[in-house]
Amino acid sequence: IQLTQSPSSLSASVGDRVAITCRASQGVSNSLAWYQHKPGEAPKLLIYSASTLQSGVPSRFSGSGSGTDFTLTIYSLQPEDFATYYCQQLNTYPITFGQGTRLEIK
Amino acid sequence: QVQLQESGPGLVRPSETLSLTCSVSTASVSSYSWTWIRQTPGRGLEWIGHVSYSGSIKYNPSLERRVTMSVDTSSNQVSLSLSSVTAADAAVYFCARHYGNRILGYYFDLWGRGTPVAVSS
Repeated sequence: IQLTQSPSSLSASVGDRVAITCRASQGVSNSLAWYQHKPGEAPKLLIYSASTLQSGVPSRFSGSGSGTDFTLTIYSLQPEDFATYYCQQLNTYPITFGQGTRLEIK
Repeated sequence: QVQLQESGPGLVRPSETLSLTCSVSTASVSSYSWTWIRQTPGRGLEWIGHVSYSGSIKYNPSLERRVTMSVDTSSNQVSLSLSSVTAADAAVYFCARHYGNRILGYYFDLWGRGTPVAVSS
């Protein structure tokens, strides 16, 4: 299953609200997760089952969607949120990832 | 806090076998399922496969002929072996815990920082 994220890159300012979309080439039910990755660090799970916030993740992160279309929304961007974000589907083997969205400071 | 740390040779010659280990601290490897992922600039994140102590194994079909994963409870490590490597196997390799259930969903909740692997003669 191919996952297509948009945009591939995004410039935003602290305090902005941003949305990243992930479209699956076929339905994945709600078996979709979102990760944040900063260079040299371990990727961090943000959202699983499309909309469930992982324990310890700030509530400004929100996930929605089902089937083929999903969205990660970050409300009120903080300096530590500038990173690359990936979606992942776990509904069908092989597990696949989106190509990533790089979120940069404007 | 469960921590994962990948380790490996850093450099492998073409046609040889790449061997990596993932050391797990403060959790027993026999209690969970573990997965390997690699990252390259060209292909992004690629799932390699997962393994559990109970014997459940699943590999990515694109790598299945060359991949072996195992769990070692005596050292509390997870291992990855990839044979007949080529330049296309140069990547940063991550291990992660594959967690969840059919009710709540599945996800990779803990990751290591990754270990870079270059392929060159």
